[in-house]
Amino acid sequence: AIQMTQSPSSLSASVGDTVTITCRASQDIRSFLGWYQQKPGKAPKLLISSASTLQTGVPSRFSGSGSGTEFTLTIGSLQPEDSAIYYCLQDFSFLTFGQGTKVEIK
Amino acid sequence: EMQLVESGGGLVHPGGSRRLSCAASGFTFSRYVMYWVRQAPGKGLEWISVIRTAGGESFYADSVKGRFTISRDDSKDTLFLQMNSLRAEDTAVYYCAKLGVRDGFDMWGQGTMVTVSS
Repeated sequence: AIQMTQSPSSLSASVGDTVTITCRASQDIRSFLGWYQQKPGKAPKLLISSASTLQTGVPSRFSGSGSGTEFTLTIGSLQPEDSAIYYCLQDFSFLTFGQGTKVEIK
Repeated sequence: EMQLVESGGGLVHPGGSRRLSCAASGFTFSRYVMYWVRQAPGKGLEWISVIRTAGGESFYADSVKGRFTISRDDSKDTLFLQMNSLRAEDTAVYYCAKLGVRDGFDMWGQGTMVTVSS
């Protein structure tokens, strides 16, 4: 099974900061990776598909990059509403979620 | 409006069974691969099952293999998860989902809570 290693597990940053979350796959998953945002009591929301495609309605401060085994979610100019847990998800072979990154606003 | 609505959650005794349903509307359900994903309290997301289209080949995570069965009724636009031999560690919110990692078409239900406890 493909393992996804997501880091960091949590971070705290100020409004306006740029934050980066990384996911590493245990094998080449090409670009079959998505990034999700989950807020308390809610279902996850897809932010990025195919590693770098921003979903309609998602603010442009969110961006995704990478292919193969290393992927990055970047949130530029962090906003208070970005406080959430972020997960990566590989869809190359069955599914594997990353462990999640809790983003807190200072 | 496109939506997925789960039902069937509740309190179950260890060793018991439960059947979850997920009613789809607003899109052509039969065209899509569908998933069940769960989230234990305070924990991350865990894929547990997938069912393909037209013929319904299915697969399971090791944690539920042999105990859970996924199925679909395309005539009723409904996805099911039959859960048998339930354990305390199966306690979670269960989501049905059409995942959009590849095509951007992503939809989740609101989740249904299953609590396994005596």
